[in-house]
Amino acid sequence: DGGITQSPKYLFRKEGQNVTLSCEQNLNHDAMYWYRQDPGQGLRLIYYSQIVNDFQKGDIAEGYSVSREKKESFPLTVTSAQKNPTAFYLCASSTLAGGRYNEQFFGPGTRLTVL
Amino acid sequence: AQSVAQPEDQVNVAEGNPLTVKCTYSVSGNPYLFWYVQYPNRGLQFLLKYITGDNLVKGSYGFEAEFNKSQTSFHLKKPSALVSDSALYFCAVRDISNDYKLSFGAGTTVTVRA
Repeated sequence: DGGITQSPKYLFRKEGQNVTLSCEQNLNHDAMYWYRQDPGQGLRLIYYSQIVNDFQKGDIAEGYSVSREKKESFPLTVTSAQKNPTAFYLCASSTLAGGRYNEQFFGPGTRLTVL
Repeated sequence: AQSVAQPEDQVNVAEGNPLTVKCTYSVSGNPYLFWYVQYPNRGLQFLLKYITGDNLVKGSYGFEAEFNKSQTSFHLKKPSALVSDSALYFCAVRDISNDYKLSFGAGTTVTVRA
């Protein structure tokens, strides 16, 4: 988990609310990612960013939004359009230097529960 | 499309016995393969990766993995399991033609009994 922080650790959302999950890294990594983890389904990519002010949709981007205003930060907003947001959310980062085979480093995660 | 499969939801072994966690992959080009471990309510920790070269890859905490191109497999192994190895293990693949997407398997829960 070293080098990537996520906050809060636990988050509760009421129906119709937008909530924002924080992700910060001090690894000087170029790329950052957001994944959603549900039991028995592995990790699914929500959004990723390879450079400041640029990001792309992953496999399940509907109902989510992101921004990348700083290299160190990649916040994820779960909007009211996401109908089933209860899940464990993981942020990751990787360096792009040297090629495409660099491993991703993960934060400790945020558990979001809809009340 | 790239994908990985972890055919076993759970693996149970006794402490001191060999541990194997299975993974098979499907990609259109040459694969980059990864293993991660997750402890309860924590993020994923990187264990090892295969890029090219020697088919036997050594990683953290005494783990190793064997790449088999003909069987499209990348099984994780540990010669002597510890109780502390009990965790959720994920295999992942990156297709060389797609520079961002890392596809994960559904995970295998390993339980090592004392």
